[in-house]
Amino acid sequence: GESVGLHLPTLSVQEGDNSIINCAYSNSASDYFIWYKQESGKGPQFIIDIRSNMDKRQGQRVTVLLNKTVKHLSLQIAATQPGDSAVYFCAESTIQGAQKLVFGQGTRLTINP
Amino acid sequence: NAGVMQNPRHLVRRRGQEARLRCSPMKGHSHVYWYRQLPEEGLKFMVYLQKENIIDESGMPKERFSAEFPKEGPSILRIQQVVRGDSAAYFCASSGLKETQYFGPGTRLLVL
Repeated sequence: GESVGLHLPTLSVQEGDNSIINCAYSNSASDYFIWYKQESGKGPQFIIDIRSNMDKRQGQRVTVLLNKTVKHLSLQIAATQPGDSAVYFCAESTIQGAQKLVFGQGTRLTINP
Repeated sequence: NAGVMQNPRHLVRRRGQEARLRCSPMKGHSHVYWYRQLPEEGLKFMVYLQKENIIDESGMPKERFSAEFPKEGPSILRIQQVVRGDSAAYFCASSGLKETQYFGPGTRLLVL
């Protein structure tokens, strides 16, 4: 069945360093991927998305890379700041489907001063 | 421009009672989704609704759970005869047609 998983459940980085959060997916029919950030006690916050016809997409301080060959997704955060501390989820869906999102387990990112 | 609104933010119920969770989508959005999240886990899809229609309820438990999105007013997720296993955070998201889903702050349900 469909599944989205993450390689690392926790990640600790120094403030100012770059962070890379990884995600594996198994549904080859998925063609739309999203990264969400969830702070404690809050709802998921949209960060960036990418469609399967792209390999890379950049936002402000964030970059998402998609490798369809190995079904791998990553989120890169440049110059991490204390406010980046949160749990990060990747999610997938099929654009032509009912748009339900399948979420991964999540990676907790902590920033060391 | 208000985001997705959910209320109540916290809800405490005793076993056997009913829980009603409300969600008002972002302005201009006509698609609503409900997800459930257990502690330290990702969100699990429950149901996808448009106005007056249930599009996909493949994630809804077969019994005690129902959802609606009436022509007027918020979407409602209803849980009858709650049990302790229903304790979780319930998130609503909204979107336009084939667009990004934006989430509300969630309702934390605690069943005693």
